[in-house]
Amino acid sequence: DARVTQTPRHKVTEMGQEVTMRCQPILGHNTVFWYRQTMMQGLELLAYFRNRAPLDDSGMPKDRFSAEMPDATLATLKIQPSEPRDSAVYFCASGLDGVRELFFGSGTQLSVL
Amino acid sequence: GEDVEQSLFLSVREGDSSVINCTYTDSSSTYLYWYKQEPGAGLQLLTYIFSNMDMKQDQRLTVLLNKKDKHLSLRIADTQTGDSAIYFCAPTFGNEKLTFGTGTRLTIIP
Repeated sequence: DARVTQTPRHKVTEMGQEVTMRCQPILGHNTVFWYRQTMMQGLELLAYFRNRAPLDDSGMPKDRFSAEMPDATLATLKIQPSEPRDSAVYFCASGLDGVRELFFGSGTQLSVL
Repeated sequence: GEDVEQSLFLSVREGDSSVINCTYTDSSSTYLYWYKQEPGAGLQLLTYIFSNMDMKQDQRLTVLLNKKDKHLSLRIADTQTGDSAIYFCAPTFGNEKLTFGTGTRLTIIP
């Protein structure tokens, strides 16, 4: 059954290290979103892509975060260098032509020590 | 930007109805969604309502929309233990970007 796959599920790293999170959207979906979830801020939109082109990444700290779609089957979110305040659950979601029905992955739980 | 507010917690006895409320600020919202998040999982679309509707029913779920007051509610009839989760409302304008509420954690009392 079709689902969004995120790897890794859990990541523990030290401050200053590079972190790469990956997402495989549902085959045929052309819209991909990255969200971050924390207790304090709730769900925040970091970036979204349509047809692999970034449409909005205004929610992302530009100096350390970057998001790309090297091809239609892979979206990546990188943090370099990571900081303790980046600790959160990062979700990828995909949809067909927008947000009408988004499918979320299980998330990457990131802990930066 | 859109502000979306929900109560943080709700406790309901098994078998009773649960009502989760949401208020929002953007009156131009066209689709208003409800998502469910179970522990350790991503969000899952439950239902949605279009802004020209007042009510939508889908099995045990009833969505009510009061556009004048910018108030949205989700009623779950005959609440079961499997309904324990965090529920997010998410109004949106057109087909771009969801703004999620703070989420309401629903706890079922046996």
